[in-house]
Amino acid sequence: SYELTQPPSVSASPGQTASITCSGDKLGDKYACWYQQKPGQSPVLVIYQDTKRPSGIPERFSGSNSGNTATLTISGTQAMDEADYYCQAWDSSTYVVFGGGTKLTVL
Amino acid sequence: QVQLQESGPGLVKPSETLSLTCTVSGGSISSYYWSWIRQPPGKGLEWIGYIYYSGSIKYNPSLKSRVTISLDTSTNQFSLNLSSMTAADTAVYYCARDFGRFGELTNAFDIWGQGTMVTVSS
Repeated sequence: SYELTQPPSVSASPGQTASITCSGDKLGDKYACWYQQKPGQSPVLVIYQDTKRPSGIPERFSGSNSGNTATLTISGTQAMDEADYYCQAWDSSTYVVFGGGTKLTVL
Repeated sequence: QVQLQESGPGLVKPSETLSLTCTVSGGSISSYYWSWIRQPPGKGLEWIGYIYYSGSIKYNPSLKSRVTISLDTSTNQFSLNLSSMTAADTAVYYCARDFGRFGELTNAFDIWGQGTMVTVSS
């Protein structure tokens, strides 16, 4: 079965750039998206189709996907960005797969 | 705006079948794909399956033998049945809408219900 691997934790100082990676075999050939989940809340879509931001998501959130790695980048990290982040990918053979999640700590 | 609300039992006995319903309000259930996703306590997300109002359905291969998803356009609801429940099925169950418009399948989920906790215990 297809697997997506994320680091368990990432930290960043306020105002700095945080990068969260997601690795999978030929992930760049699939569409990746990213969700933010705060404690006790439902996930929120922050990036879809590798690089696109849904309406209402701040411009500081951006995404890329190439080779075996998709990356979520948060520029100018804010305290409110502290959350768990999940990558997700799909194609017709793997269907929908989520990464294990990364806890972002804003120090 | 579209809102989703899961409903169903919070406690299920081992070997029984879980039945959950997701009510779509503020919009039509037609022309979108709808999914069920679950999250065990303290763990990550797992996609269960999706359904389209035309009848197109896909399930997670790891759950396929136990899952049935259905949709009722007259009530604007879709449902999940998961049979032979075990403790490993204890999780928050979410319903979610696919971001794609007019029947486009993106498997990116832009609207989620608040989730319902289901515990499997005798």
